Amino acid sequence: DAKTTQPNSMESNEEEPVHLPCNHSTISGTDYIHWYRQLPSQGPEYVIHGLTSNVNNRMASLAIAEDRKSSTLILHRATLRDAAVYYCILSESLSGAGSYQLTFGKGTKLSVIP
Amino acid sequence: GAGVSQSPRYKVAKRGQDVALRCDPISGHVSLFWYQQALGQGPEFLTYFQNEAQLDKSGLPSDRFFAERPEGSVSTLKIQRTQQEDSAVYLCASRGADTQYFGPGTRLTVL
Repeated sequence: DAKTTQPNSMESNEEEPVHLPCNHSTISGTDYIHWYRQLPSQGPEYVIHGLTSNVNNRMASLAIAEDRKSSTLILHRATLRDAAVYYCILSESLSGAGSYQLTFGKGTKLSVIP
Repeated sequence: GAGVSQSPRYKVAKRGQDVALRCDPISGHVSLFWYQQALGQGPEFLTYFQNEAQLDKSGLPSDRFFAERPEGSVSTLKIQRTQQEDSAVYLCASRGADTQYFGPGTRLTVL
């Protein structure tokens, strides 16, 4: 799987938007971009994923650069409950008969300041 | 519905003991994964099952690690003759239509 690069840590004030960057310059045409987050003492939790177009769901938005070499996870209003480690992951397959294992890096530790 | 559950949540073992970690995936999920997460690191893939078939065990660190899923639902990760370097959180995940759902993990401490 292609590698991703994320900042080790970021801080945000509560109720402000947060933009978490991810670089993936060696992404292939079939790689999906996934974001997971891990709250303290919990397993990772799916946040969002995309291929080429920007995506929105109830948790966050995913902005994908036109060349797909970078992406940004956007939390529109950070809350204290959003404090977690955020992982940006590339995966070839999304569903179907084949498996896909997730290759996690160290992620970005997001701290939210009240 | 119920998510992925794992038991026990915490396990302390003396070096050399055998341990067994259980995973109950989401009902109906065909694919099941085990990951190992060392302190301060992201999870690392151990092994993958499709139903009862173990299709990929390339991440298992040694032959002391063994996983099974005999009836295609519950899975057990067994570690024989535990060593201190086995101390980690062991995560189980099952796959739905387009994402993996993780359990809370079992924190293994080997003394």
